[in-house]
Amino acid sequence: DTGVSQDPRHKITKRGQNVTFRCDPISEHNRLYWYRQTLGQGPEFLTYFQNEAQLEKSRLLSDRFSAERPKGSFSTLEIQRTEQGDSAMYLCATASGSSYNEQFFGPGTRLTVL
Amino acid sequence: DQQVKQNSPSLSVQEGRISILNCDYTNSMFDYFLWYKKYPAEGPTFLISISSIKDKNEDGRFTVFLNKSAKHLSLHIVPSQPGDSAVYFCAAPSSSNTGKLIFGQGTTLQVKP
Repeated sequence: DTGVSQDPRHKITKRGQNVTFRCDPISEHNRLYWYRQTLGQGPEFLTYFQNEAQLEKSRLLSDRFSAERPKGSFSTLEIQRTEQGDSAMYLCATASGSSYNEQFFGPGTRLTVL
Repeated sequence: DQQVKQNSPSLSVQEGRISILNCDYTNSMFDYFLWYKKYPAEGPTFLISISSIKDKNEDGRFTVFLNKSAKHLSLHIVPSQPGDSAVYFCAAPSSSNTGKLIFGQGTTLQVKP
């Protein structure tokens, strides 16, 4: 499978716990994006990387959120001290220089915070 | 501030008929628009796009129309097929060359056999 993969697909955690999600991009894509989607809404931009450099973070991304892409390949998104409001689908997307707008999305990680 | 809006949460059409999905935007600086399709348990997939220098772009059964003066775009699917049943999102890049997409809320299309 040469598409974007995300792990885990589902995560249930208790409030206050830390969680980490992983995204494996299409190998030749240098851009990687994280989005969050809540019920009845479209995906909302969180942050993006070009290779290993994090170029922009949304104001939605509080200090409890951190993302990395250490070698310009896979990326991780960590949420510390989770809150119930963090419950959402977290989507990863990647793109190449031919068109950064035509992004390839992974299946997402659904987070439920109890 | 919802810069990209899809005001119809759902649409139901008969197989073989036309599906028209609508999208409005508020930011006149947007110069490129995309439609994504999402099936359950999958991520969105790119469907079709249009640049603001055009007013129409066609790809097989899918056509996107852009009315810049009205800040409105629409996606036409003709003929609709049951496999087209999905959630459709319109999106626009917030600035050029970032790929930072702003999505509408989505419209769930159901095509009945």
